[in-house]
Amino acid sequence: DQQVKQNSPSLSVQEGRISILNCDYTNSMFDYFLWYKKYPAEGPTFLISISSIKDKNEDGRFTVFLNKSAKHLSLHIVPSQPGDSAVYFCAAGNFNKFYFGSGTKLNVKP
Amino acid sequence: KAGVTQTPRYLIKTRGQQVTLSCSPISGHRSVSWYQQTPGQGLQFLFEYFSETQRNKGNFPGRFSGRQFSNSRSEMNVSTLELGDSALYLCASSLEGDRYTEAFFGQGTRLTVV
Repeated sequence: DQQVKQNSPSLSVQEGRISILNCDYTNSMFDYFLWYKKYPAEGPTFLISISSIKDKNEDGRFTVFLNKSAKHLSLHIVPSQPGDSAVYFCAAGNFNKFYFGSGTKLNVKP
Repeated sequence: KAGVTQTPRYLIKTRGQQVTLSCSPISGHRSVSWYQQTPGQGLQFLFEYFSETQRNKGNFPGRFSGRQFSNSRSEMNVSTLELGDSALYLCASSLEGDRYTEAFFGQGTRLTVV
């Protein structure tokens, strides 16, 4: 039973436009949510996180939105750059035990 | 400061063998978590160690085990390897244990079982 789902396996966006990656979770007890980025042949790198007490967290071009009632979070990248092309994982959990989605492959076209 | 270091980076083993992977966390971090990443399953949580004790465990068979040393370095062991154990194994370290803090991942060890 998947507790965290990323329903879009891939996304293609033009350089300079907005990329929106979505993630749904099932457990309302999760209190921490994060996004990781992964390039081929490398480990995931931490991107941005959000606590359940917030609904938005912004870091440069990256913004994560949390909708607790819908159990949904999204990552916005504005403006998208070709170097953002990677696989993005969302994760949700608490106390260092968290669950990952299957990832969304983002392709930013020049 | 140095990041999370995993060794070896690549490993090829045959079915039935055992393997030990190593993870050195960021200095000062006491929590180390291990994950298995496969193309079909994404990232799956294996277990987490904090101050030499396994504190959380995912849904993996007993062939997967680990330990943590007093310097917070952690090892993961897989016995009686199966073809399906071929994956990228990642470890992540974080500062504390009793509340969630940001985790930092290593580059991973890519295990191939033939």
